[in-house]
Amino acid sequence: QVQLVESGGGVVQPGRSLRLSCAASGFTFSSYGMHWVRQAPGKGLEWVAIISYDGSNKYYTDSVKGRFTISRDNSKNTVYLQMDSLRAEDTAVYYCAKRNLFYFDYWGQGTLVTVSS
Amino acid sequence: QSVLTQPPSVSGAPGQRVTISCTESSSNIGTTYNVHWYQQLPGTAPKLLIYDNNNRPSGVPDRFSGSKSGTSASLAITGLQAEDEADYYCQSYDNSLSAWVFGGGTKVTVL
Repeated sequence: QVQLVESGGGVVQPGRSLRLSCAASGFTFSSYGMHWVRQAPGKGLEWVAIISYDGSNKYYTDSVKGRFTISRDNSKNTVYLQMDSLRAEDTAVYYCAKRNLFYFDYWGQGTLVTVSS
Repeated sequence: QSVLTQPPSVSGAPGQRVTISCTESSSNIGTTYNVHWYQQLPGTAPKLLIYDNNNRPSGVPDRFSGSKSGTSASLAITGLQAEDEADYYCQSYDNSLSAWVFGGGTKVTVL
């Protein structure tokens, strides 16, 4: 069965960096695009970024462009989200999700990122 | 302002039918694709409920159904059960923004 397990969340000061990881299993990882989606405390879902199956294409929501970088290692079945210049408004649970055309068919359990001094 | 607009909350008694609307904003008419729906139970990750407007993944009860007409989509829950109490999100792809977009979410309360 498909499993997505995020890690790397924690408390970080504004302006600092953090890297999230998402380990995938149960499907042919190298054949699918992968997303990051976040949810601020008590708020709705917000799409963050997508990387294509081979890593050649990446897209971001406007609020993280230039600060966040999505990448993947198909040999490790893992997708990453490098988050630099973090702001208080980046505080959220970050989910990785498997792409299926224009929707998200499987989600991880999420990892909490808190940006606070 | 969300590209997709949902009511903040809906409620119903057990056994009743409730519907959740998802309306595309006027500034984005014609630029979104199929609509998909997710259920988020309290304290858990979202789960795919309906894809491509009206298709259920394996394991989703047929009490859940989706439809889309023009710039509006709807999720219907028939025979409402206590376990259906959750947040529900619609989602689509906006070609003009090159972005995956979500509605603001609707909290379903079972009275």
